[in-house]
Amino acid sequence: GAVVSQHPSWVICKSGTSVKIECRSLDFQATTMFWYRQFPKQSLMLMATSNEGSKATYEQGVEKDKFLINHASLTLSTLTVTSAHPEDSSFYICSASLASGDYNEQFFGPGTRLTVL
Amino acid sequence: GQNIDQPTEMTATEGAIVQINCTYQTSGFNGLFWYQQHAGEAPTFLSYNVLDGLEEKGRFSSFLSRSKGYSYLLLKELQMKDSASYLCAVKDSNYQLIWGAGTKLIIKP
Repeated sequence: GAVVSQHPSWVICKSGTSVKIECRSLDFQATTMFWYRQFPKQSLMLMATSNEGSKATYEQGVEKDKFLINHASLTLSTLTVTSAHPEDSSFYICSASLASGDYNEQFFGPGTRLTVL
Repeated sequence: GQNIDQPTEMTATEGAIVQINCTYQTSGFNGLFWYQQHAGEAPTFLSYNVLDGLEEKGRFSSFLSRSKGYSYLLLKELQMKDSASYLCAVKDSNYQLIWGAGTKLIIKP
């Protein structure tokens, strides 16, 4: 099956610093990548959708200047949390899909747990 | 608005059968997914339904009724490792995935 990796798997940082999370599709080219955030005991919240070579589409309420997304190639997307604060502490998960259309299974990365002190 | 409803938590016994229901109201329908998520891990794909009926895959089956906006995930011969959250997600007319809050399934010996 399709494999998606994320790095790092966990990170602890000080308030005010920036953190970059990488999402890679290892054995396929991902037309679209998605970034989710999940708080404890809550469901996945889609933050943004990114297509290779174009600007990401952010969901309502997600600050695009705070959560910078770069989808530079068909196998790599990055999420940078700028000037992180304790309320940004969460589980960040990326997913990738092969193509748009009817059946568009998303393959999830293992997630990155961010703790901001 | 768009809405997906699932029970928050269910408890079942090892070896038994459990059915997790999901009802949805979305702007359009382009398929329904079930995912399993263990605590602290990312979701893993279980099933996909786009036509009415039952899809069986080993111990897991998923049913869809588009006219009723209803689906269920059936887990047979429950094992302790099936303790997890089960997420229902519907793809709307824009092919956007709308996620339910998930059902936490607790398996008891």
